[in-house]
Amino acid sequence: QSVLTQPPSVSGAPGQTVIISCTGSSFNIGAGYDVHWYQQLPGRAPKLLIYGNNNRPSGVPDRFSGSKSGTSASLAITGLQAEDEADYHCQSYDSSLSNFCVFGTGTKVTVL
Amino acid sequence: QVQLQESGPGLVKPSGTLSLTCAVSGASISSSNWWNWVRQPPGKGLEWIGEIYQTGTTNYNPSLRGRLTISVDKSTNQFSLKLNSVTAADTALYYCARRITISPNYFDPWGQGILVTVSS
Repeated sequence: QSVLTQPPSVSGAPGQTVIISCTGSSFNIGAGYDVHWYQQLPGRAPKLLIYGNNNRPSGVPDRFSGSKSGTSASLAITGLQAEDEADYHCQSYDSSLSNFCVFGTGTKVTVL
Repeated sequence: QVQLQESGPGLVKPSGTLSLTCAVSGASISSSNWWNWVRQPPGKGLEWIGEIYQTGTTNYNPSLRGRLTISVDKSTNQFSLKLNSVTAADTALYYCARRITISPNYFDPWGQGILVTVSS
């Protein structure tokens, strides 16, 4: 049902950079809606990681950054750390669904 | 600090009604926020269920409309979810979350979640 597509998994060694894509369409990301990212640690609830495409809430390390272009958005994690192993979800809104909320398919980040 | 806490039965029989409540602390449910429900089937991604504003105005996921009712109780600072005619496909972790009304409208914070299993 998800209209935002993410890779099921990405992995990297400690210190490396990983990038997670979130691909949408002209009805959601391409329509100008903001993209937000949530981190879900194992067994925990999702937590806001990036809001408004590229803004970090207080307390989120600057290793995490977001960007948006056209119908896609990306989350980059630089200087990967073991504690970054988690699921990551993008979120936006969709005009074909009465402007209501849509989530991405979710990506599992594994630190090798 | 705003906190949300879900509560309700962890087991519901097929064709029955799933009922959950979210208690809000650290903020008034009458404040300018939308109060949301999101679910996550085991091993899968997040699915938005619906939301309610303090006035009682609701927005529902079209795929669940017809089975879903979200209500708010200002006297107890809680909001609730009722999902009728449940099947095994409704088995999931259910989260409540606040969505701020001003741009950029993100979800924060989230409750810890409650697992609801639909089984006889």
